[in-house]
Amino acid sequence: DTGVSQDPRHKITKRGQNVTFRCDPISEHNRLYWYRQTLGQGPEFLTYFQNEAQLEKSRLLSDRFSAERPKGSFSTLEIQRTEQGDSAMYLCASSQKQGNTIYFGEGSWLTVV
Amino acid sequence: AQSVTQLDSQVPVFEEAPVELRCNYSSSVSVYLFWYVQYPNQGLQLLLKYLSGSTLVKGINGFEAEFNKSQTSFHLRKPSVHISDTAEYFCAVSVGGGTSYGKLTFGQGTILTVHP
Repeated sequence: DTGVSQDPRHKITKRGQNVTFRCDPISEHNRLYWYRQTLGQGPEFLTYFQNEAQLEKSRLLSDRFSAERPKGSFSTLEIQRTEQGDSAMYLCASSQKQGNTIYFGEGSWLTVV
Repeated sequence: AQSVTQLDSQVPVFEEAPVELRCNYSSSVSVYLFWYVQYPNQGLQLLLKYLSGSTLVKGINGFEAEFNKSQTSFHLRKPSVHISDTAEYFCAVSVGGGTSYGKLTFGQGTILTVHP
């Protein structure tokens, strides 16, 4: 397999701008997860998809955040009206089913200036 | 709600020495347990996981961990570390199965630094 792919790897944006991150999971993985990791902290769960259905969203995911997985393959995470507090690494992960290894991507670093 | 506590934020050790990274969790239900490693500016790589069965779990790169239900611990060990083991290590817990399987709660991380 080619691993979980995330794009872009780094993004610097001005406060108030919108940004979108893309995640391509390992093929045939029907479960896809988004996490956020700030400096010095462990990753925090944001949201989860099984196929195209978004099954759970964390309270961390404010109204400015939206995630989609339109055809059950790749996923996008959009942040509208970015704030400095959104600066973090956004990690995508995928797995095939319960019990299987959850594979993480390299992450997308966001810096809001 | 579940939580994970990694008892040491930093662990310095000399090359070829043994190391233990400590992890305690709290949960009122059965859990799955994981250890991940993160190298600088990279994503997370799974070292090992405990789902059920034997409480001693062996992982990649010579690491192992022991699940202790009574002490709610899942400590990570390696008998002899290498310079290349320098990284940040995260303990994580998943509560139950089904759709919650991949919803991981992570600890704060332990930075392992191996000195020559």
